[in-house]
Amino acid sequence: QSVLTQPPSASATPGQRVTISCSGTSSSIGRNTVNWFQQLPGTAPKLLIFKNNQRPSGVPDRFSGSKSGTSASLAISGLQSEDEADYYCAAWDDSLKGWVFGGGTKLTVL
Amino acid sequence: QVTLRESGPALVKPTQTLTLTCTFSGFSLTTSGMCVSWIRQPPGKALEWVARVDWDGDKYYNASLKARLTISKDTSKYQVVLTMTNMDPEDTATYYCARNIIAPSDGDFVGYFDYWGPGTRVTVSS
Repeated sequence: QSVLTQPPSASATPGQRVTISCSGTSSSIGRNTVNWFQQLPGTAPKLLIFKNNQRPSGVPDRFSGSKSGTSASLAISGLQSEDEADYYCAAWDDSLKGWVFGGGTKLTVL
Repeated sequence: QVTLRESGPALVKPTQTLTLTCTFSGFSLTTSGMCVSWIRQPPGKALEWVARVDWDGDKYYNASLKARLTISKDTSKYQVVLTMTNMDPEDTATYYCARNIIAPSDGDFVGYFDYWGPGTRVTVSS
C-alpha cells in the first residue's frame, strides 16, 4: 500500500480537462514539495511537474500542478490521446526519511 | 547531456544477493546537490523508492528494506552500486536509477528526479 493516495483511474475525452489528486500526510506533502511523473507503457517515468507547479523544459503548459496543505493535484487541459499513461506523485517524507510515491493513476482518453 | 543506465543480472535465485550498477554521464557525484536514487517497480504495480546516495556521502534507505540494502558510489567511474541481500520473489521488479537534484544552498535538501535510466528487469526465481 502506497504512502501517498491517488485514485487508481481517471478518464476523459479529447479536449477535456482532467485532474488527478494526491493525498499525503503532514510529514510528506505537508512539509515538502510534490513532483509528478508520467509513465507511458513499457518506458521509464518522465518528470512532468517538480516543486509543486514547475514544468521542466519541453513539458507542455497543458500540464499544471498545485498543492494545498497535505494534498496536491495534477491538471491536464486540452487532453490528447498521447496523454494516455500512468501518472505518479512523489514527495519526501521527513518522518520516514525517504521518498514516497502514490499508487499511480491510469489515465484513459476515451 | 545527462544519461543513466542500469546494469545487473536479469535472474537471481531466492536468498541470493543482487548487485546492480548505475552508470551515468553528464554530471558528477562530487558536485554539490547531485544525488542518485534507486527506484523499483514490480510488474503491474506502483513505483517504490529504494535508496539514495548524495554527493557528500550521505545515504538514505527505504525503512522497510534498510536491513538488506547497501548503496555506494564510485565517483571516478561515474557509478552508483546497489546491493540487496536475501532476495525474495517479491523483489521481482524493474529497477531504475535516477538523478535526484537538490539545492542545499537554497535550503532544498529534497529536490526532484529529473533524469531516469531505462530500467533493468530483475526476476527472482529458483
